[in-house]
Amino acid sequence: AQKITQTQPGMFVQEKEAVTLDCTYDTSDPSYGLFWYKQPSSGEMIFLIYQGSYDQQNATEGRYSLNFQKARKSANLVISASQLGDSAMYFCAMSYNNAGNMLTFGGGTRLMVKP
Amino acid sequence: NAGVTQTPKFRILKIGQSMTLQCAQDMNHNYMYWYRQDPGMGLKLIYYSVGAGITDKGEVPNGYNVSRSTTEDFPLRLELAAPSQTSVYFCASSPGLAGGSFYNEQFFGPGTRLTVL
Repeated sequence: AQKITQTQPGMFVQEKEAVTLDCTYDTSDPSYGLFWYKQPSSGEMIFLIYQGSYDQQNATEGRYSLNFQKARKSANLVISASQLGDSAMYFCAMSYNNAGNMLTFGGGTRLMVKP
Repeated sequence: NAGVTQTPKFRILKIGQSMTLQCAQDMNHNYMYWYRQDPGMGLKLIYYSVGAGITDKGEVPNGYNVSRSTTEDFPLRLELAAPSQTSVYFCASSPGLAGGSFYNEQFFGPGTRLTVL
């Protein structure tokens, strides 16, 4: 069975500094995808970044990058130059070969950016 | 495009009451999902659908039912509400995987906050 683990329930970061949010996953499938979503206090789920298991390079989207270490089964999210608006819950998720193209979500990390 | 819409935004139910949470999408997506999110937790899949007329259970289906008569709509029915069903419910849709990729971005609705007292 697939499993996503986010071991940091909460983190603080100083504004303008970089922060890494950890995500480890467990799967026996060689083919899968990894996602990060942001959930601000308003509650909506916002897609941030995607990494495929066969992608050769780490994904980047603006200030977000994904540090993908396949052998370690980790897919950490790096946010550079943190902003106050980055304060939110962040969820790591995985897609894999299943009938409903379902995503498996981790428990989330709450990031708080200090001014 | 409105994307994924959900109604109502908030609802308070008494124990034993029933209700339907509405979800609609206008992106012509085949795949639709219902999740629940308990306070401080991640999302758990309740039911999903791969197309009109086809639904299947997710991780936590007990106490819920779904139907999918059209591509656009995917209502979630709660029968005999219990306090354990107090949660935020999210509906999501996706076009599904294509071309051997596992890129399956799911587009989420704004959520329905349900309290059962």
